[in-house]
Amino acid sequence: GAGVSQSPRYKVAKRGQDVALRCDPISGHVSLFWYQQALGQGPEFLTYFQNEAQLDKSGLPSDRFFAERPEGSVSTLKIQRTQQEDSAVYLCASSLGPTGDGYGYTFGSGTRLTVV
Amino acid sequence: QKEVEQNSGPLSVPEGAIASLNCTYSDRGSQSFFWYRQYSGKSPELIMFIYSNGDKEDGRFTAQLNKASQYVSLLIRDSQPSDSATYLCARYFSNYQLIWGAGTKLIIKP
Repeated sequence: GAGVSQSPRYKVAKRGQDVALRCDPISGHVSLFWYQQALGQGPEFLTYFQNEAQLDKSGLPSDRFFAERPEGSVSTLKIQRTQQEDSAVYLCASSLGPTGDGYGYTFGSGTRLTVV
Repeated sequence: QKEVEQNSGPLSVPEGAIASLNCTYSDRGSQSFFWYRQYSGKSPELIMFIYSNGDKEDGRFTAQLNKASQYVSLLIRDSQPSDSATYLCARYFSNYQLIWGAGTKLIIKP
């Protein structure tokens, strides 16, 4: 695709509900990143994939968070038993090279998750 | 330390003036720095990156990096109302992970 596509754009979840957020990166991009952005803050790193391999998941806040990219393209971020502190915008980004290319990367429009 | 510090603002600048945004960082090993612009409700978009000491110009934007003093700045000349946004400074923590400041809200007054 022409850009990084994320869905849904907005998600309201009841506390305790499981959610799945989808990211469709730019075609051919090797690297995929998930970031979490709380209101009024900069993005916080969650996890990094190089093709289908999850090379770094050190930023995932708890074991309720799980990410996968089984075929090296589309990625899903799953949050189990959502809690109010999970409310944030979840940003996906991709880049062509195996790292950030030194030039940063391109973000999708994000998914705004609100846990009520 | 990973911190990247920015003044949250808002910074109010008259239309046509120069807007100056600043960012400091604590890791002397930092090499590459980025300025992203984020409109309300939108995702960050890359404006400039810089990795060498000195100035880098791109149109109305100039990034300045001073590694000895550990700061990086962004100058916007001839500010336009459309420049009103939050400006995020970021640096590489590893060769793929970005560490971000909280952003400075810029308001350009017509």
